[in-house]
Amino acid sequence: EADIYQTPRYLVIGTGKKITLECSQTMGHDKMYWYQQDPGMELHLIHYSYGVNSTEKGDLSSESTVSRIRTEHFPLTLESARPSHTSQYLCASSGPGPSGEQYFGPGTRLTVT
Amino acid sequence: GENVEQHPSTLSVQEGDSAVIKCTYSDSASNYFPWYKQELGKRPQLIIDIRSNVGEKKDQRIAVTLNKTAKHFSLHITETQPEDSAVYFCAASIYKLSFGAGTTVTVRA
Repeated sequence: EADIYQTPRYLVIGTGKKITLECSQTMGHDKMYWYQQDPGMELHLIHYSYGVNSTEKGDLSSESTVSRIRTEHFPLTLESARPSHTSQYLCASSGPGPSGEQYFGPGTRLTVT
Repeated sequence: GENVEQHPSTLSVQEGDSAVIKCTYSDSASNYFPWYKQELGKRPQLIIDIRSNVGEKKDQRIAVTLNKTAKHFSLHITETQPEDSAVYFCAASIYKLSFGAGTTVTVRA
């Protein structure tokens, strides 16, 4: 079944650790996105990609980085986690055309102690 | 860039009543307007969308209207049920979505 997958779903990690949040999609979409969201609050776009080897920073400044080496895979990396990074991270992808329907993954809830 | 404002931020309605959420956008070039519903602990789910060449779209108890001249669009939920309780987000898009801040809807039994 076509879907968006995120791992891990929950992560508790200490300050200063390097972490990578995984996102993969079997939707066949070219465009992918990362959002940061505190529970029930605004969705903040932190990175997006329109295809392989294309990455852009979003509207919210973030200390994370992303890569897009394969169409279906869009990992997000934090080199040195801090308590301010505690949040939920949602991956999304969208279909063809400038205004394709966008679908979200289940999210990774990150806690940095 | 696009700026989307959403009102109200919270909405409490009696079961069976209607709920209306309104959004305005700033960029007249925006041509796609989706609405998402996010239940507690779940991912946002696309519930209805409208494109700029259409003024109104309906799907069972939910409907969306678009006024391009005034640059605003609205979500209407009729005959509300407890399962409609969630956070609703509007968005506008030219090439990527800009989201409103969300409306927390509570349906009182």
